Amino acid sequence: QVQLQESGPGLVKPSETLSLTCTVSGGSISSYYWSWIRQPPGKGLEWIGYIYSSGSTNYNPSLKSRVAISGDTSKNQFSLKLSSVTAADTAVYYCARHSGSYFGYFEYWGQGTLVTVSS
Amino acid sequence: QSALTQAASVSGSPGQSISFSCTGTSSNVVSYNLVSWYQQHPGKAPKLIIYEVIKRPSGVSNRFSGSKSGNTASLTISGLQAEDEADYYCCSFDGTNTWLFGGGTKLTVL
Repeated sequence: QVQLQESGPGLVKPSETLSLTCTVSGGSISSYYWSWIRQPPGKGLEWIGYIYSSGSTNYNPSLKSRVAISGDTSKNQFSLKLSSVTAADTAVYYCARHSGSYFGYFEYWGQGTLVTVSS
Repeated sequence: QSALTQAASVSGSPGQSISFSCTGTSSNVVSYNLVSWYQQHPGKAPKLIIYEVIKRPSGVSNRFSGSKSGNTASLTISGLQAEDEADYYCCSFDGTNTWLFGGGTKLTVL
């Protein structure tokens, strides 16, 4: 069974860079698409971006200038960096694995980690 | 890239059938059979309940069903139960390898 676990600081100062890691067990990140998704308190879900096994990435156009996703196959982890954060970036951040012939849906999710942006 | 459109809330009584709509555009819902639905209980991660418009993952109740017509995808829950009270989100592939969620619908079981 595939399991994902997010980790990283729960508090980040405005203008700094948010950094999170997703550790995957029960499957290799060398296959499939792996995404980050976030949810501000009391609001809906927002797709942030993905990394594919080859290391290729793509991002939500609204966040593209501030986002970077990378992978470490030796540790079976992938990571999110979001720069120049503001209070609007306060959210629960989820990592998820895509499934399907076209990797069109998110089958496995981490439990989520709350990141608060505040001085 | 605007979110898919979902009603903010819906309510129903136990045993009823209830439907959720998810409206998109030619860039997403119309062009791809890659609409999925997620159920989210408070404080929990979203759970996949429908994928590729009509398919149900193993272990998900057959009370959940999906469909699509034109630019609108729908999720129907039949035989509503108290445990179905949750938030429901639709999601679609949006072309150019991006994904788009709806704003979510809060289901209240009366």
